[in-house]
Amino acid sequence: GQSLEQPSEVTAVEGAIVQINCTYQTSGFYGLSWYQQHDGGAPTFLSYNGLDGLEETGRFSSFLSRSDSYGYLLLQELQMKDSASYFCAVRDRVGFKTIFGAGTRLFVKA
Amino acid sequence: ETGVTQTPRHLVMGMTNKKSLKCEQHLGHNAMYWYKQSAKKPLELMFVYNFKEQTENNSVPSRFSPECPNSSHLFLHLHTLQPEDSALYLCASSQVGQKNTGELFFGEGSRLTVL
Repeated sequence: GQSLEQPSEVTAVEGAIVQINCTYQTSGFYGLSWYQQHDGGAPTFLSYNGLDGLEETGRFSSFLSRSDSYGYLLLQELQMKDSASYFCAVRDRVGFKTIFGAGTRLFVKA
Repeated sequence: ETGVTQTPRHLVMGMTNKKSLKCEQHLGHNAMYWYKQSAKKPLELMFVYNFKEQTENNSVPSRFSPECPNSSHLFLHLHTLQPEDSALYLCASSQVGQKNTGELFFGEGSRLTVL
């Protein structure tokens, strides 16, 4: 089967750093993506890792270890507006199928 | 208009009704998708269309019928649905190929309630 595991909830304070982990088990793998979804909104793309290592985009970084079937999203200098759900997603085959985890609800407190 | 547009945004229907959800993408992408999002569950991939050809049907019940008349439009026809089909239905598009990320661009979704 195919599955992605990520924590259901994470709470952090403004200005802090938080890491959201994701482990996956899929039949095919071409990359790991992260998406953000605010309540009532559409998921929006944050980052993509096709190869092992760290990708940095502003306050957000994402890491992948294909040998461990593991990745994480790192959010730095947390802001209240970062309160949202974060989904890891595996791109299967050549991009025609993307499978999502159940999402991690991030609460940022003042 | 830009991005991915879905209509209607909200739909209430009875179990015997027939309705359709519409999705339009203005991004020139070559693939379109239907996902179902229920509370506290992963986004469930329902259908994938690549260059108007259906490449994936993720064991979706036949009461959901997709249609992709061209690379910019995608429909989801609904017939004799069940209350458990109430959910947010998200359309997405992407430009796929080995040298890009396959980033999905989502519409705002159609919130469906089946009575």
